[in-house]
Amino acid sequence: AQTVTQSQPEMSVQEAETVTLSCTYDTSESDYYLFWYKQPPSRQMILVIRQEAYKQQNATENRFSVNFQKAAKSFSLKISDSQLGDAAMYFCAYGADSNYQLIWGAGTKLIIKP
Amino acid sequence: EPEVTQTPSHQVTQMGQEVILRCVPISNHLYFYWYRQILGQKVEFLVSFYNNEISEKSEIFDDQFSVERPDGSNFTLKIRSTKLEDSAMYFCASSEGEPIRNTIYFGEGSWLTVV
Repeated sequence: AQTVTQSQPEMSVQEAETVTLSCTYDTSESDYYLFWYKQPPSRQMILVIRQEAYKQQNATENRFSVNFQKAAKSFSLKISDSQLGDAAMYFCAYGADSNYQLIWGAGTKLIIKP
Repeated sequence: EPEVTQTPSHQVTQMGQEVILRCVPISNHLYFYWYRQILGQKVEFLVSFYNNEISEKSEIFDDQFSVERPDGSNFTLKIRSTKLEDSAMYFCASSEGEPIRNTIYFGEGSWLTVV
């Protein structure tokens, strides 16, 4: 069965610094996608970044980038130049190309210190 | 930017009562989903819906749950006889095309409290 593990329940970072959130997953599928979603206090799940497993290049979206290590089944999120608005729960999620559902990690609460 | 909207944002209901959670997916999207998150636990997939029928459902989605697209814009989740353990945040989501290759957009959630 596919699983997603986020081992950091909470992380804190000083404003303008860089922070890395960890995620590992387990799957036997070859075609799959990985995602980071952000859930601010407004509760909406907002897609931060996605990675296709067949792509070797790490995805980047402005200040957000991932370190995708396929062999190690690791998918970490790096946030550069952290801003107060980045404070939120961050969820790692996995989806196989062969089905309809996302499998979620437990989330990491990110605190930004001013 | 188009959004998935959900109503109500919070509902309190008595055990055994029926609840309908409503969602308006993004207008050109064809695939619809419900997920839930019990407090302190992981987000869990409930069901996906395409072309007016369920395309996939989880073990959680038993006979007390049903989904419907009653018109061209709404997508509802009905819980027939609520239990205490149904207390959770329920997220509606939609995608333009087939998951997972197409991005799934989520609403703000409906918080259900069963007392």
